[in-house]
Amino acid sequence: SYELTQPLSVSVALGQTATITCGGNNIGYKSVHWYQQKPGQAPVLVIYRDSNRPSGIPERFSGSNSGNTATLTISRAQAGDEADYYCQVWDSSTSYVFGTGTQVTVL
Amino acid sequence: EVQLVESGGRLVQPGGSLRLSCAASGFTVSSNYMSWVRQAPGKGLEWVSVVYSGGSTYYADSVKGRFTISRDNSKNTLYLQMNSLRGEDTAMYYCARDLYGSSWFAYWGQGTLVTVSS
Repeated sequence: SYELTQPLSVSVALGQTATITCGGNNIGYKSVHWYQQKPGQAPVLVIYRDSNRPSGIPERFSGSNSGNTATLTISRAQAGDEADYYCQVWDSSTSYVFGTGTQVTVL
Repeated sequence: EVQLVESGGRLVQPGGSLRLSCAASGFTVSSNYMSWVRQAPGKGLEWVSVVYSGGSTYYADSVKGRFTISRDNSKNTLYLQMNSLRGEDTAMYYCARDLYGSSWFAYWGQGTLVTVSS
């Protein structure tokens, strides 16, 4: 089965840049999607197909994907960006696969 | 406006059964890929099951043979029949919409909590 690995936590200073990685075997050949989940709330899609932002998502959120690592970047981090972030891909053997999740703290 | 509203979650004993519902509005359930995704307390997201627009269904290994996904087109509602429940099935259950097989979940419900305990 396909697995996605994320760091447990990432800390970022207010106004600085946070980088969240998502590792998977040849993930660069797959489309990667990212979700933000705040406590007590349902997940929200923030990036789809590696680097595309849905309507309403700030430009501060960006994504890339190459080789064995996909990356979500949050520029000019704000207190409201504190949340758990999950990557996700579709795999032919396991259907939808989520990453292990990363807790982002804004200091 | 697209809305997904889950219901049916409650406390159930191990070995028991439960049926979750997800009422959709603003779009047609049968034209989309509809999934159930769960999240155990303090844990990450886990995909559970999907029904494709054509009617094919797929399940995570952890629930295969115990859970059944279905839909009622006349009610525009998605269901998850959960049998032989175990403690590890305790979780918030979300229904989610994959737009026409795009492979990502553009819309999520607010979830319904299932607790399996004696």
